Amino acid sequence: KQEVTQIPAALSVPEGENLVLNCSFTDSAIYNLQWFRQDPGKGLTSLLLIQSSQREQTSGRLNASLDKSSGRSTLYIAASQPGDSATYLCAVSDNNDMRFGAGTRLTVKP
Amino acid sequence: GAVVSQHPSWVICKSGTSVKIECRSLDFQATTMFWYRQFPKQSLMLMATSNEGSKATYEQGVEKDKFLINHASLTLSTLTVTSAHPEDSSFYICSAMGQLYNQPQHFGDGTRLSIL
Repeated sequence: KQEVTQIPAALSVPEGENLVLNCSFTDSAIYNLQWFRQDPGKGLTSLLLIQSSQREQTSGRLNASLDKSSGRSTLYIAASQPGDSATYLCAVSDNNDMRFGAGTRLTVKP
Repeated sequence: GAVVSQHPSWVICKSGTSVKIECRSLDFQATTMFWYRQFPKQSLMLMATSNEGSKATYEQGVEKDKFLINHASLTLSTLTVTSAHPEDSSFYICSAMGQLYNQPQHFGDGTRLSIL
């Protein structure tokens, strides 16, 4: 059974810093990996989707990488802003099923 | 982009009441819809997968008679929490996936259910 782990569970950084969130998964036979953002009490916002054949995806200040063989993905956030404060979830899809990590709660201090 | 509408966004009701949550794909046909549950400060947990026109597949530990799922059309799935109790209070999120292979899931905004 696929297990997804995210490290760290919580992260607090000053505004302007670059940061990396980590995600690891146990079964490398995935179709894709997705990073989401969740604000308190809200639904999920999809940030980046990486297909299994891709190594990375970029959107604005966000860059996500995927190393399927080692079962790892990172989400890089450049020049962090207070508005980036949220919980970030990674999820892997295999055989039409999606498994989520527990998330990293990010706080960016002004 | 693809839009999934979930309704209601928030519901408060008395213990013993049955509550229905709707999940609609607004601009695409969703052959598969997923229902998730999220407790405070925890990640999403998949409850069940529903395919249009067939019975839902429930995850281990999820009571089928408690959480009734109906996926009667390619744009609508419903989750009914029957005889809800305070321990059913949670955040429920649906997602929908289109017909093509390896499509991403599109998520609704969630429903916060509070049982008094």
